[in-house]
Amino acid sequence: QVQLQESGPGLVKPSQTLSLTCTVSGGSISSGSYSWSWIRQPAGKGLEWIGRIYTSGSSNYNPSLKSRVTISVDTSQNHFSLRLYSVTAADTAMYYCARSRELEPPEYWGRGTLVTVSS
Amino acid sequence: SVLTQPPSASGTPGQRVTISCSGSSSNIGNNFVYWYQQLPGTAPKLLIYRSNQRPSGVPDRFSGSKSGTSASLAISGLRSEHEADYFCAAWDDILSGPVFGGGTKLTVL
Repeated sequence: QVQLQESGPGLVKPSQTLSLTCTVSGGSISSGSYSWSWIRQPAGKGLEWIGRIYTSGSSNYNPSLKSRVTISVDTSQNHFSLRLYSVTAADTAMYYCARSRELEPPEYWGRGTLVTVSS
Repeated sequence: SVLTQPPSASGTPGQRVTISCSGSSSNIGNNFVYWYQQLPGTAPKLLIYRSNQRPSGVPDRFSGSKSGTSASLAISGLRSEHEADYFCAAWDDILSGPVFGGGTKLTVL
């Protein structure tokens, strides 16, 4: 069964770049027609889709974050990554990575990792 | 949240409870609904996909339905182990990505 695990710094300073990696185990990230997403949830608020990538390299982003986000994939390492630029306190949230079938919500999720933006 | 769920629900052991999820024509009205269970500190677990399908290993006490721009998750034979957060999701044609409900905290009395 596919498992996903987020990793990265838990604390980021304002104006800096948030960088997270999602490592996929239990299968190759390249197998099947799936998209690989990042989703976040600020404390006490709802889930927000950040964006997704295919192993072809094609990606799509939430328009609300598009100007500050890059999602990349490394098939040789079986992982994909998120970079969120110029962060503020409003970017403090639990960040999840997930796998989806084409044009559907996620089937598999990671446990999430808490990222706090603070000086 | 884009999809609307009641913040809480409750029931006694053995009861049947339902959790609603309301959206619009760009999401639930035109696409499948997914339901998840989340326990504290764990990854969301898929309970229902494509509105009414159960993944392998999910017991048939969990069922999903959809009508128009609303959907429901039903849990029958309620047990204490069902105490968790439940949330819905659907693809949104305008966003071109998934949207989510705010989650419902289920308490077993």
